[in-house]
Amino acid sequence: QSALTQPASVSGSPGQSITISCTGTSSDVGGYNYVSWYQQQPGKAPKLMIYDVTKRPSGVSNRFSGSKSGNTASLTISGLQAEDEADYYCSSYTSSRTWLFGGGTKLTVL
Amino acid sequence: EVQLVESGGGLVQPGGSLRLSCAASGFTFSSYWMSWVRQAPGKGLEWVASMKEDGSQIYYVDSVRGRFTMSRDNARNSLYLQMDSLRVEDTAVYYCARALWANYFDQWGQGSLVSVSS
Repeated sequence: QSALTQPASVSGSPGQSITISCTGTSSDVGGYNYVSWYQQQPGKAPKLMIYDVTKRPSGVSNRFSGSKSGNTASLTISGLQAEDEADYYCSSYTSSRTWLFGGGTKLTVL
Repeated sequence: EVQLVESGGGLVQPGGSLRLSCAASGFTFSSYWMSWVRQAPGKGLEWVASMKEDGSQIYYVDSVRGRFTMSRDNARNSLYLQMDSLRVEDTAVYYCARALWANYFDQWGQGSLVSVSS
């Protein structure tokens, strides 16, 4: 199976909002509400930021929000801060009883 | 505090074998699905395998099925990944991850580097 499709990079200025898309198929993103998002800082392990499409784990800032429409999920970060600069990955359960990640998006805070 | 500590990585020749271990602490290991996720140098994350709490269900990505074997020992709070017939393209940092409700990787280890090269 191919990775979910994410833009390679996005950028924004401090205080702005950005959105990262994650496109799959009806066999993964579109078929289940098991979409999650991960933040990975350089040299660190990934961190769960969003699960069940829209839910935030305890301790994750409410500046992070998730949504889904059809086969595309999205992560929005509002009030962009320098510390948000990182790689972001989406993930989804699939009908093949496997899990897929997106190719990753590098967020640059200008 | 939840801790996942991988070990067993290293350099191996193509066709060789390696066994990764993951020691878990700070939570009831036997109550969670567990997974392995890898990341090739400079590349993205790739799910490798997941196992149910009691080991009764195991799923693998196509590229490792038949070569990698995931197992767990709930009495020792440990997770394993036996990797055989290793290929150059298996070179990656391998992360042990707790899989919340099977679908979300909510806790991660620090990773163990596996390098396959002649």
